[in-house]
Amino acid sequence: DAGVIQSPRHEVTEMGQEVTLRCKPISGHNSLFWYRQTMMRGLELLIYFNNNVPIDDSGMPEDRFSAKMPNASFSTLKIQPSEPRDSAVYFCASSLARLAGAGDTQYFGPGTRLTVL
Amino acid sequence: AQSVTQLDSHVSVSEGTPVLLRCNYSSSYSPSLFWYVQHPNKGLQLLLKYTSAATLVKGINGFEAEFKKSETSFHLTKPSAHMSDAAEYFCVVSDHNAGNMLTFGGGTRLMVKP
Repeated sequence: DAGVIQSPRHEVTEMGQEVTLRCKPISGHNSLFWYRQTMMRGLELLIYFNNNVPIDDSGMPEDRFSAKMPNASFSTLKIQPSEPRDSAVYFCASSLARLAGAGDTQYFGPGTRLTVL
Repeated sequence: AQSVTQLDSHVSVSEGTPVLLRCNYSSSYSPSLFWYVQHPNKGLQLLLKYTSAATLVKGINGFEAEFKKSETSFHLTKPSAHMSDAAEYFCVVSDHNAGNMLTFGGGTRLMVKP
């Protein structure tokens, strides 16, 4: 398996622009997670899907952030409008967990490094 | 609530000497514990995982960790460091009460001197 796939790997944009990050989870995995990593705050969970349904989005910073999972093999994280403080590495992870609440190993993608000027 | 404390933000060892990265956790239930490694500009890779089976867990690249409930610790060790071990290491806890959520420690940066 190719593992979790994220695109783009790097994104540089100007403040105010819309940014869309993409993730393809491992085939057969039922849970998908979006994380943000910064020097100041470390790794933060933004949102978590199980069977394509958002289970917990309490980590989403504000209304400028939105995430969708239209099918089992694709998810997007959108920032509109983007701000310089959104600059970070965004990771997508997936796990087998069939039920929300079942602990399982998460497998991480390579991340998208976002720079907002 | 669950939490993880990695006691050292930076650890420096010489190549060929043992590695010890310390981790203490707090969990209200029987936890699952993980160690992940992140090489520069890379994603997180699972090193090993404890899920209430054997308390001594062996992982990839010669790493192992021992779950000690009485000490609420899950320290990561390796007998002999290699230059390629230089990376950031994260101790992670997940328990039933927190669902499928992972709580990450702050990370320990391991430096390996030649």
